Amino acid sequence: QKEVEQNSGPLSVPEGAIASLNCTYSDRVSQSFFWYRQYSGKSPELIMSIYSNGDKEDGRFTAQLNKASQYVSLLIRDSQPSDSATYLCALGGGYQKVTFGTGTKLQVIP
Amino acid sequence: DGGITQSPKYLFRKEGQNVTLSCEQNLNHDAMYWYRQDPGQGLRLIYYSQIVNDFQKGDIAEGYSVSREKKESFPLTVTSAQKNPTAFYLCASSRRNTGLEGYEQYFGPGTRLTVT
Repeated sequence: QKEVEQNSGPLSVPEGAIASLNCTYSDRVSQSFFWYRQYSGKSPELIMSIYSNGDKEDGRFTAQLNKASQYVSLLIRDSQPSDSATYLCALGGGYQKVTFGTGTKLQVIP
Repeated sequence: DGGITQSPKYLFRKEGQNVTLSCEQNLNHDAMYWYRQDPGQGLRLIYYSQIVNDFQKGDIAEGYSVSREKKESFPLTVTSAQKNPTAFYLCASSRRNTGLEGYEQYFGPGTRLTVT
């Protein structure tokens, strides 16, 4: 059984700062990793996917993957109040199934 | 526009009644999924389907049933056997993979079911 661990937060950062969200996992077989953003009352929205060790950048978002240490992180640069949401880490693999973490709530303070 | 639609957005039912939640996608994805989300909890997989006319139980399938007669559609029935049906139900779809690498899942807007 794959497990995904995230700090539930809330993580509070001032506007313009870098928000760092972390996720650890237990399954060494997982090959794909995803970050979703979920606003309150809404469905999750995919914002990043990463498959290889290292960093992947997309606009203000950077995903970092370290398979040896079994962690994946998401950095949000120049955080905006509109970034306030819950961020879900997810692991893919094992023939279609994806395992989701319970999410970290981010609050960006104006 | 390609996407996933779920209807209705809100659904209210009396205890003991079966209810069917709709999920339609026009992304040409082979795989579809149903999740349940409860307040403060993660997503829990109910059922998933990789191809038409085939589906598998997820982690919490008891009290639920599905069908996959068309590629675009994957309806979920919440039966009266489901003990705690009140939740936020999310449908998702993805490309089909046959190996260890998982493809991105895209979610519909969800259906909030309340059973009293």
